[in-house]
Amino acid sequence: KNEVEQSPQNLTAQEGEFITINCSYSVGISALHWLQQHPGGGIVSLFMLSSGKKKHGRLIATINIQEKHSSLHITASHPRDSAVYICAVGDQGGSEKLVFGKGTKLTVNP
Amino acid sequence: ETGVTQTPRHLVMGMTNKKSLKCEQHLGHNAMYWYKQSAKKPLELMFVYNFKEQTENNSVPSRFSPECPNSSHLFLHLHTLQPEDSALYLCASSQGIGGFYGNTIYFGEGSWLTVV
Repeated sequence: KNEVEQSPQNLTAQEGEFITINCSYSVGISALHWLQQHPGGGIVSLFMLSSGKKKHGRLIATINIQEKHSSLHITASHPRDSAVYICAVGDQGGSEKLVFGKGTKLTVNP
Repeated sequence: ETGVTQTPRHLVMGMTNKKSLKCEQHLGHNAMYWYKQSAKKPLELMFVYNFKEQTENNSVPSRFSPECPNSSHLFLHLHTLQPEDSALYLCASSQGIGGFYGNTIYFGEGSWLTVV
């Protein structure tokens, strides 16, 4: 079974700072997802990637398959970015069972 | 607005009550899921439905009973729950299944359940 570790668990930043959240996993995957969960509970899918890099606005996600590692970067962070960011991986066997990390709680202060 | 709507958003129920959570997706997806999120724990998959057929039951106790009458609607029927079942229950959908490869997941806002 894959194990997903995220770091840091908690992160506090000042508005405008560059943010990096890391995710590592233990066995090969089909795809990796980055999700954003706001305090109300709703979850939004930010990225799904299986190689390389993806960018959407101020968010950038990268993955290194050989090192079994992914990073989520936020440039010019803003208080509205405050949320829990969750990494999840799908196994290569095609199971529906995503394995989730525990999440990184980000707080961006004005 | 993700296209996945859950009701109610908040539910308090006694251990002898019977209640249901409802999920509706307006995205034309074929697969729907129930997830449980307990405090300080990762999301846990509970059930998967693909084209109305249950394809996954992740060892969920029988006091949780899912129902999928069509590809757009998913219910979670709750009966004789325990206080430790208090959690956030999230519904999700995707176009296809199979490790979500190539399929973005769309989550609802969740239903906060408190069992007293």
